[in-house]
Amino acid sequence: AQKITQTQPGMFVQEKEAVTLDCTYDTSDPSYGLFWYKQPSSGEMIFLIYQGSYDQQNATEGRYSLNFQKARKSANLVISASQLGDSAMYFCAMRVPGGGSNYKLTFGKGTLLTVNP
Amino acid sequence: DVKVTQSSRYLVKRTGEKVFLECVQDMDHENMFWYRQDPGLGLRLIYFSYDVKMKEKGDIPEGYSVSREKKERFSLILESASTNQTSMYLCASSLGAGAHYGYTFGSGTRLTVV
Repeated sequence: AQKITQTQPGMFVQEKEAVTLDCTYDTSDPSYGLFWYKQPSSGEMIFLIYQGSYDQQNATEGRYSLNFQKARKSANLVISASQLGDSAMYFCAMRVPGGGSNYKLTFGKGTLLTVNP
Repeated sequence: DVKVTQSSRYLVKRTGEKVFLECVQDMDHENMFWYRQDPGLGLRLIYFSYDVKMKEKGDIPEGYSVSREKKERFSLILESASTNQTSMYLCASSLGAGAHYGYTFGSGTRLTVV
C-alpha cells in the first residue's frame, strides 16, 4: 500500500531563516508524482511544488525547493528566507494508481509551521 | 485560473438530516474528488469520479454517497447525518489522471452535525 509519512507535527522557524519539512513515501509503483500543499488557517489548499519520479533535477519554485532523494524515498520541502505569511499547515502528497489508469493523491498528516518574528 | 467552488463555507445540520455538499469546477476537468480532513488524521479520500456518472469509493465511503450528473458538478451526500461526520470537507479537481497532475482544491466546507 502507498503511504506518506510526515514525522514533524510542528516546526518553528525564525523569520528570514530556512526550514526543512520532512516527508518520506512508500510505493512499489515506478511512476509517481510528489506534491506539497500549503493550508493557511483560512482552510484552502494551495499547491506549492511538484516532483516526478523520473525527474533528474530537484524541483524549485521561487523560495520553495524539493530535496528529492529517490533511494531514501524522501521528498523534503525546503523553504528559504521564511516569512510570517509562511505560517500554515504543510502537506506532502503522492499520486499513485487508483483504479485502472486513474490516480489519486494520498496525503501525509501534515506539519504545522510557525514563523516567529 | 481554475476555480473549484464549494457552495457553503460553514454548515450546521441536525442528526438524521440529509445533507448535500456541492462542488463546481469551471475548467472542464475530468476527475473530481471529495476528502474529509480531521485533526491528527490528515486528509482522507471519500469518493472520486473520473467521468460523468462514474464514481469510485475512496478510503472511507461509509455513510456517504456521491452524484455526478454533469462534468462540472460533483455532489457529496450524507444520507443521514451523524455527529461523527462533523468535519472539514474538501473538494478537488484534476485535469488528468496521470501521476503528474496535481489537484485544485475548493476552499472547503466546515460541517457541524448537532
